[in-house]
Amino acid sequence: KNEVEQSPQNLTAQEGEFITINCSYSVGISALHWLQQHPGGGIVSLFMLSSGKKKHGRLIATINIQEKHSSLHITASHPRDSAVYICAVSPWGSNYKLTFGKGTLLTVNP
Amino acid sequence: DTGVSQDPRHKITKRGQNVTFRCDPISEHNRLYWYRQTLGQGPEFLTYFQNEAQLEKSRLLSDRFSAERPKGSFSTLEIQRTEQGDSAMYLCASSPGQGATTNEKLFFGSGTQLSVL
Repeated sequence: KNEVEQSPQNLTAQEGEFITINCSYSVGISALHWLQQHPGGGIVSLFMLSSGKKKHGRLIATINIQEKHSSLHITASHPRDSAVYICAVSPWGSNYKLTFGKGTLLTVNP
Repeated sequence: DTGVSQDPRHKITKRGQNVTFRCDPISEHNRLYWYRQTLGQGPEFLTYFQNEAQLEKSRLLSDRFSAERPKGSFSTLEIQRTEQGDSAMYLCASSPGQGATTNEKLFFGSGTQLSVL
């Protein structure tokens, strides 16, 4: 069993829809990261959080430490949001070494 | 500041050859990381530098792999006697490395795609 599980693996939405991507992890962590990867490899860090909720533009990330669960929400989705969204955790004791989920491929159709 | 740069973007090599990749982190970033990503998987940790010191190596990094960061700035990752299983995207990342906390956002390069024929 992977230490970081994401769902769904693939998600197709229509422009304007509200998107939710989920991440569950099984280890103690000091922080959780959400990242975005476009075709061709480039990875961009979206959020790093250890409690509560963060918001940046149309993106919202939440984390529940007790339940070992995080969600990434995209409001008013747009085709340019199409990418792979990856959840990664910084485990306690190795918090410089991220453990990644496999990613969620999001396709937003116009 | 142009972000993290990796060179080359693509490398095709024959099995048994040696390859070397270069990573230039964001200037003044003390921490540098190498990750490997295969198709459909998330990146996997390979190694980590704090300035010029290599502080940890994953067991994924066999003795055919070596990484250096000689002056605490750019880093190289060398793979000797490449095998087909080495085919992957090799990603470099850096972070400021300031202060006591090690929880930092990582800044990734675009990666080097290696294909071993």
